[in-house]
Amino acid sequence: GAVVSQHPSRVICKSGTSVKIECRSLDFQATTMFWYRQFPKQSLMLMATSNEGSKATYEQGVEKDKFLINHASLTLSTLTVTSAHPEDSSFYICSARGPLDGELFFGEGSRLTVL
Amino acid sequence: LAKTTQPISMDSYEGQEVNITCSHNNIATNDYITWYQQFPSQGPRFIIQGYKTKVTNEVASLFIPADRKSSTLSLPRVSLSDTAVYYCLVHNNNDMRFGAGTRLTVKP
Repeated sequence: GAVVSQHPSRVICKSGTSVKIECRSLDFQATTMFWYRQFPKQSLMLMATSNEGSKATYEQGVEKDKFLINHASLTLSTLTVTSAHPEDSSFYICSARGPLDGELFFGEGSRLTVL
Repeated sequence: LAKTTQPISMDSYEGQEVNITCSHNNIATNDYITWYQQFPSQGPRFIIQGYKTKVTNEVASLFIPADRKSSTLSLPRVSLSDTAVYYCLVHNNNDMRFGAGTRLTVKP
């Protein structure tokens, strides 16, 4: 089946720095990718919808200047957490819509820890 | 977006059949119903998707009544490794928000 890969799987950074997380669709082209964040014991919260070649659509309450999303190609979307703060520590998950019947494939997730 | 309601948690024993029901009273004509499984610190994994009636694959069955206001995920003969959170999504491919999910615990 289709595979979506995220990198890095774990990252630790200092407050004030920026961190980039990559999401790649390995064997299919994805015009639409979704970014989620998940806190412990909670559900996935949709942050933004990323469409190739256009600006991402952010959910209400998500700061677009803090969480920069770039979807420059049909196989790669990136999420950059700028000026990271300890409150940004979370599990970030991306997904890509597959080529058939809109099935959604998820990456393995990236755990961000901001010190 | 059709909101979904699922039981917060369920317990079962190895070898039993587990049925998790999801309510989605406001489902739209062009919405699909998809179920995902998530283990801790992993991304969700696709289980099954349907539009109406019954769908079956190698791991589960999905029952959808005619009015489509609910759906039931059926897991036959669960094992300890099926302990996970199960999410029901109702979507039209453009809005992929998750509900709270059901935490299934399978006991020996």
